[in-house]
Amino acid sequence: GAVVSQHPSRVICKSGTSVKIECRSLDFQATTMFWYRQFPKQSLMLMATSNEGSKATYEQGVEKDKFLINHASLTLSTLTVTSAHPEDSSFYICSASIPALGQFFGPGTRLTVL
Amino acid sequence: AQRVTQPEKLLSVFKGAPVELKCNYSYSGSPELFWYVQYSRQRLQLLLRHISRESIKGFTADLNKGETSFHLKKPFAQEEDSAMYYCALSLPNNDMRFGAGTRLTVKP
Repeated sequence: GAVVSQHPSRVICKSGTSVKIECRSLDFQATTMFWYRQFPKQSLMLMATSNEGSKATYEQGVEKDKFLINHASLTLSTLTVTSAHPEDSSFYICSASIPALGQFFGPGTRLTVL
Repeated sequence: AQRVTQPEKLLSVFKGAPVELKCNYSYSGSPELFWYVQYSRQRLQLLLRHISRESIKGFTADLNKGETSFHLKKPFAQEEDSAMYYCALSLPNNDMRFGAGTRLTVKP
């Protein structure tokens, strides 16, 4: 149980386009999901906390208009990277939270912006 | 397939007792492994990484390639060590694979 999926696993796009990444909790409902960004050889960086039915809470330094987060249902949160640029190329990981059990991480999405 | 397994979802020890959080990995290449910790109401944070061979907050973890393990150990647990611990495997392309996590409770 407690499986989190992400789609797509890899995406390559041209600079200036927008990319949507989906995070799904497959066998449980998650009122809270998290979006992380992984820089090479560095620790995860929390980008935002996504709460079902309300606006996401962004970490300091993360552009809200750049990284749009929608958590429209208890099993799906989406991260849209708008007008992507090469510096947005990274590994994005989501996690879904189950109270008292912790966070369950998705497999990640590798974004490459050309 | 690359996989990280943390067999214990819950682990409870008494203060002052030794603690070991198990992590096993499946990876054919040369692994780079991490331990992350999340204290209550705080964000996930890096605890240690095997390549630095450091000890953070009294925790150590040794990579055992023969057993494909990276267990996290501390000789004397403290109450403030109570948290969620995640073992993670970094792949050559910097993708990460996380274990399911172990909730450690240190009782007084």
